[in-house]
Amino acid sequence: QKEVEQNSGPLSVPEGAIASLNCTYSDRGSQSFFWYRQYSGKSPELIMSIYSNGDKEDGRFTAQLNKASQYVSLLIRDSQPSDSATYLCAVNIVDSSYKLIFGSGTRLLVRP
Amino acid sequence: KAGVTQTPRYLIKTRGQQVTLSCSPISGHRSVSWYQQTPGQGLQFLFEYFSETQRNKGNFPGRFSGRQFSNSRSEMNVSTLELGDSALYLCASSGTGGPTGELFFGEGSRLTVL
Repeated sequence: QKEVEQNSGPLSVPEGAIASLNCTYSDRGSQSFFWYRQYSGKSPELIMSIYSNGDKEDGRFTAQLNKASQYVSLLIRDSQPSDSATYLCAVNIVDSSYKLIFGSGTRLLVRP
Repeated sequence: KAGVTQTPRYLIKTRGQQVTLSCSPISGHRSVSWYQQTPGQGLQFLFEYFSETQRNKGNFPGRFSGRQFSNSRSEMNVSTLELGDSALYLCASSGTGGPTGELFFGEGSRLTVL
């Protein structure tokens, strides 16, 4: 079982819709969770971090964490074509704190 | 504030050669992590350094090595290159000394092994 799993997609949504990206992780003791966005040909950039159960909102982005279910999600409201990118979920594995483990990413395509 | 700088950006090597990649972190950042990115495997952790000490290492063969200097600049070396080492090598720095998470990535060094 992979440590961090994501559906590779592509996830295709129309402009203005809500895009929902999901991630599961295997280490129950993990404490820190991150979403990175990677445009084609570019390097990843951090867009959200979440450390506690519940929701965290930042503009059009909402990160959701459920530690009991070992599940992290990212919602993008009012999706724009410029949101088309690969979204990487990353988890800090508790017994290897100085190592961030990335999922394989979900490719999001927002149709105009 | 300058970002993470990686050199060289592109390089082509042949099997059996070795390569050294360089990374200059954001000023003030003391943690540097290295990742290998390939289409099939995604982002794979190589190692992380803080204050010249390797704090964690990924599951890569011993041909992959790294180091960090007192000015926080880091280098990674791959010896006896194999075709499968062709990848984008990403360096990322972090401003905290604690558990890694909020990383700032460089543009990467794209290595092609022929």
